[in-house]
Amino acid sequence: KQEVTQIPAALSVPEGENLVLNCSFTDSAIYNLQWFRQDPGKGLTSLLLIQSSQREQTSGRLNASLDKSSGRSTLYIAASQPGDSATYLCAVPFGNQGGKLIFGQGTELSVKP
Amino acid sequence: GAVVSQHPSRVICKSGTSVKIECRSLDFQATTMFWYRQFPKQSLMLMATSNEGSKATYEQGVEKDKFLINHASLTLSTLTVTSAHPEDSSFYICSSRIRGYNEQFFGPGTRLTVL
Repeated sequence: KQEVTQIPAALSVPEGENLVLNCSFTDSAIYNLQWFRQDPGKGLTSLLLIQSSQREQTSGRLNASLDKSSGRSTLYIAASQPGDSATYLCAVPFGNQGGKLIFGQGTELSVKP
Repeated sequence: GAVVSQHPSRVICKSGTSVKIECRSLDFQATTMFWYRQFPKQSLMLMATSNEGSKATYEQGVEKDKFLINHASLTLSTLTVTSAHPEDSSFYICSSRIRGYNEQFFGPGTRLTVL
C-alpha cells in the first residue's frame, strides 16, 4: 500500500530565505510525482510534475527533485516571498491505475515579511 | 494549462436535502474525472473515479448511493450528495485527466456546509 508523508507539517520562515519541503513515499515504483500548492479555501494549483525517469524539474524559483530508490522528493523554494505562503502537497499515482493520486498531508508554509 | 471549473463554489443547505456539484473541463476533453473530499487541516482523499459513459468506481468506505456521480460527457461530471447531513460538510474538489497524460488538473473546489 502506497503511503505518502510530508515533513514538516508546518514551516515558518522570514522573507528571502531559501527552504526545502520534503516528501517521502513507501512504494518506489511510481510513474511520476506531482507538487501542488493550495491556498486557504481554494483548489489545487499544479506546480511541478516529475516523471519517473527524471531527477528534477525547475520552474522559476521552484526546483523539485526525485530520488525513486530512496522514495523521496524535495521541493526547493529560493528567495521565499510572503506570496509563497500556502499549503504544499505532493502526490503520486496509485499503482497502475492511471491517475488516482495518493496525497501527502501537506506542509503549511508561512513566509513572514 | 488546462482549466477546470466547479459550480457552485459554496453551498449551504439544510440537513436532508440533496446537493449537486458540477465539474467542467473548459478547454479539453476529460476522459477521466476524479472526485476528492478534504476535511479541515487534512489532505485530499479520493472518493471516486469517473470515466465518461461508464459507472463511477468508488473508493472503499464511500457510499455510492449517497454520493451519486454522473459523467455524461467528456466535459462534465456531477456529484450529487443525497440526503446531506452535517457530517457531509466538507470541501469537495474534482480533477480531470486527458487520456494518455498523467497530469491531473484540479477545479477550485466546492465548500459544502450542511446545517
